Amino acid sequence: KQEVTQIPAALSVPEGENLVLNCSFTDSAIYNLQWFRQDPGKGLTSLLLIQSSQREQTSGRLNASLDKSSGRSTLYIAASQPGDSATYLCAVLDSNYQLIWGAGTKLIIKP
Amino acid sequence: ETGVTQSPTHLIKTRGQQVTLRCSSQSGHNTVSWYQQALGQGPQFIFQYYREEENGRGNFPPRFSGLQFPNYSSELNVNALELDDSALYLCASSTGQRGGTDTQYFGPGTRLTVL
Repeated sequence: KQEVTQIPAALSVPEGENLVLNCSFTDSAIYNLQWFRQDPGKGLTSLLLIQSSQREQTSGRLNASLDKSSGRSTLYIAASQPGDSATYLCAVLDSNYQLIWGAGTKLIIKP
Repeated sequence: ETGVTQSPTHLIKTRGQQVTLRCSSQSGHNTVSWYQQALGQGPQFIFQYYREEENGRGNFPPRFSGLQFPNYSSELNVNALELDDSALYLCASSTGQRGGTDTQYFGPGTRLTVL
């Protein structure tokens, strides 16, 4: 059974710092891995989607990597801003075409 | 282009009642997926529809059912509500036959409270 774990559960850093969020999964048989952000009381916004054949994806200040063999992904946020404060979730699309989600990392960027 | 919308925003029900949640997909999207998100947890996949047919289901009992209409709007129905059904219910639309194979666009969710 696929399980997705995100560490840390919460993170607070000063504005301007670069930071890394971690995601691990137990079964390497995935179609893709996705990162989302969720603002309080709101839905989810897709940030990056990495196909299983890819190693990384970049969008602006965000860079996500995927190491399928070790079951790990990282989301790198450069030059963090207060507007980056949100909960970040990763999810893997498993062999049954179901998205399996982690519980998220709550990120607070202090001005 | 209109985004994904959901109604109602909030809902309070009592145990044993039935509820219907609605979702309007983004224009041009023919796949809709539904998720349940309990407080402090990640979403859990309930089911998805492609062109009015269910083509994937998570580990949820039959009292969770759905419909997708010709205009690609969708409903989630939950019968015999239980306290544990209290959660944020999210729908997402996409273009691929299998939700999750490409970018999904989420609605703001419906917060259901069961007393």
